Amino acid sequence: AQKITQTQPGMFVQEKEAVTLDCTYDTSDPSYGLFWYKQPSSGEMIFLIYQGSYDQQNATEGRYSLNFQKARKSANLVISASQLGDSAMYFCAMRGGMNSGGSNYKLTFGKGTLLTVNP
Amino acid sequence: NAGVMQNPRHLVRRRGQEARLRCSPVKGHSHVYWYRQLPEEGLKFMVYLQKENIIDESGMPKERFSAEFPKEGPSILRIQQVVRGDSAAYFCASSHLDGPSGYTFGSGTRLTVV
Repeated sequence: AQKITQTQPGMFVQEKEAVTLDCTYDTSDPSYGLFWYKQPSSGEMIFLIYQGSYDQQNATEGRYSLNFQKARKSANLVISASQLGDSAMYFCAMRGGMNSGGSNYKLTFGKGTLLTVNP
Repeated sequence: NAGVMQNPRHLVRRRGQEARLRCSPVKGHSHVYWYRQLPEEGLKFMVYLQKENIIDESGMPKERFSAEFPKEGPSILRIQQVVRGDSAAYFCASSHLDGPSGYTFGSGTRLTVV
């Protein structure tokens, strides 16, 4: 079974500073993918960044980067130069590989971290 | 270039009524997934459909819930005889190929059962 743990229910950061949101995962699959989504107060789910388990380099997308530490099974999201519009819930999610009973289409989500950016 | 369209955005039902949630996938996407988000929780997988086929409904409650994705028209998630515990946000996602790498989520339908 797969599991995602986000231990920070809430985080605060000052505008223009960097913030790290923690995510640890558990899986027996050698092949898997890790995702981060943003959910603003309006409710939609916005894809931010993806990291494959065999990717050699950490994923980056603009101000978002994923600090992937495979041995520690962690996939922390780093947001640089925080903006007021970054205030939202952030979810870490994982999909399994073909060893997941073939259900590599399912995402398993953590409970989320509520990020508040202060001016 | 419309994304996944879900309607209604908000739905209020009395206990015992039926709720029908609609999802129109991205044009050309033939894979649809439904997820449920309970308050203070992450999303949980419910069902995966392709046109006219249910591929995996392992996350669907055994009773009162059903889903379809007909040859023509949107995917429908149907909840019969709703109860207060069904109050949640229901998200639909679609993809061109199976697997969440190419997922596009809709904005969700927030169901409130009173």
